Amino acid sequence: AQKITQTQPGMFVQEKEAVTLDCTYDTSDPSYGLFWYKQPSSGEMIFLIYQGSYDQQNATEGRYSLNFQKARKSANLVISASQLGDSAMYFCAMVLTSNQFYFGTGTSLTVIP
Amino acid sequence: EPEVTQTPSHQVTQMGQEVILRCVPISNHLYFYWYRQILGQKVEFLVSFYNNEISEKSEIFDDQFSVERPDGSNFTLKIRSTKLEDSAMYFCASTQGGSPLHFGNGTRLTVT
Repeated sequence: AQKITQTQPGMFVQEKEAVTLDCTYDTSDPSYGLFWYKQPSSGEMIFLIYQGSYDQQNATEGRYSLNFQKARKSANLVISASQLGDSAMYFCAMVLTSNQFYFGTGTSLTVIP
Repeated sequence: EPEVTQTPSHQVTQMGQEVILRCVPISNHLYFYWYRQILGQKVEFLVSFYNNEISEKSEIFDDQFSVERPDGSNFTLKIRSTKLEDSAMYFCASTQGGSPLHFGNGTRLTVT
């Protein structure tokens, strides 16, 4: 069965510090993609970063980086230099070759001034 | 940048009524999805649509629900005989295939 697990229901981080949000996945497909989405209190789903299963390097997008450890089946999101506007819900997701997407249960991040 | 648009942004309906939620996916995308999210909870998959037919549906997507792509641009979700527990945010999403899902801003459905 395909599955995404986010074990941290809530996280706190001091402004300007880095934070890591955990995500593990489970699939037997050899080819897949991993994503992170941000959902602020306004409700929209904002795409942050993508990692393909065959990508050799970890993806980075500005202050976001994806720590991809294929052998451990983990795809943790690292946010550097946290800002107050980073306070939101964060969802890890996986897509398979069937173009079916699977979402984790989310991690609520609160940035403390 | 092209985006997925959903209308209405809010919909209030009485229990037992039918609602139609509308979506215009990004024009060159091939795969379309509906998800729902009960307030503060996880994103739940409802249905995926490709090549003018349902490719996969969840156990939530029972006979109460249907989807249509009537004119090549709109993608609609119909909920017949709404129940209180259908109150949620409904997201439409699309992708070219092998690329990130692009979400609309959602329709907040309230069933009273």
